[in-house]
Amino acid sequence: NAGVTQTPKFQVLKTGQSMTLQCAQDMNHEYMSWYRQDPGMGLRLIHYSVGAGITDQGEVPNGYNVSRSTTEDFPLRLLSAAPSQTSVYFCASIPPGAMNTEAFFGQGTRLTVV
Amino acid sequence: AQSVAQPEDQVNVAEGNPLTVKCTYSVSGNPYLFWYVQYPNRGLQFLLKYITGDNLVKGSYGFEAEFNKSQTSFHLKKPSALVSDSALYFCAVRDISGGSYIPTFGRGTSLIVHP
Repeated sequence: NAGVTQTPKFQVLKTGQSMTLQCAQDMNHEYMSWYRQDPGMGLRLIHYSVGAGITDQGEVPNGYNVSRSTTEDFPLRLLSAAPSQTSVYFCASIPPGAMNTEAFFGQGTRLTVV
Repeated sequence: AQSVAQPEDQVNVAEGNPLTVKCTYSVSGNPYLFWYVQYPNRGLQFLLKYITGDNLVKGSYGFEAEFNKSQTSFHLKKPSALVSDSALYFCAVRDISGGSYIPTFGRGTSLIVHP
């Protein structure tokens, strides 16, 4: 049981490049979400999913796409990277049917856009 | 709508002294409240949560938190701080009546424990 796994841990992109941040969980969690963490801003929700085939936008969705083809995977795509997307990205999952349950976080992906 | 505020960006305390990290929340119904800790270059780890019942909740590493409904607060406390407690702490809220499983996080409070 690996929990929530994010890859890569570090990435440097040039402006305009695209890439996909991977997130996988092996706990059969329905709810998955992506956050970005910036100094002084805390965690801001980018996109989330309540199950396979269902996604929705969070607080800061612009410049990012997501899909949820399986319960296990929830990749985050940067279409055309910008320096403003330099941040630490966290993926989280929540067990099904349990609003009183805490979220499980991955170790994060540190992205730098130059 | 649900929101949470952590009014202090940084809290400084001497080792051995009690610590408090503040959190206030806003929900339209009843809240589920959580505290997480983040050590450098790591993901968030769950510390404790308030769901219902006793207003004083005990969690990992000797931390506890007090739920105060009249003041809409959920402050994190520890009787005796350790240098190893130095980390970033996040409060989070989920509105029971809102039906959303996605919690809202505060901005985080950096706790620095001095030797």
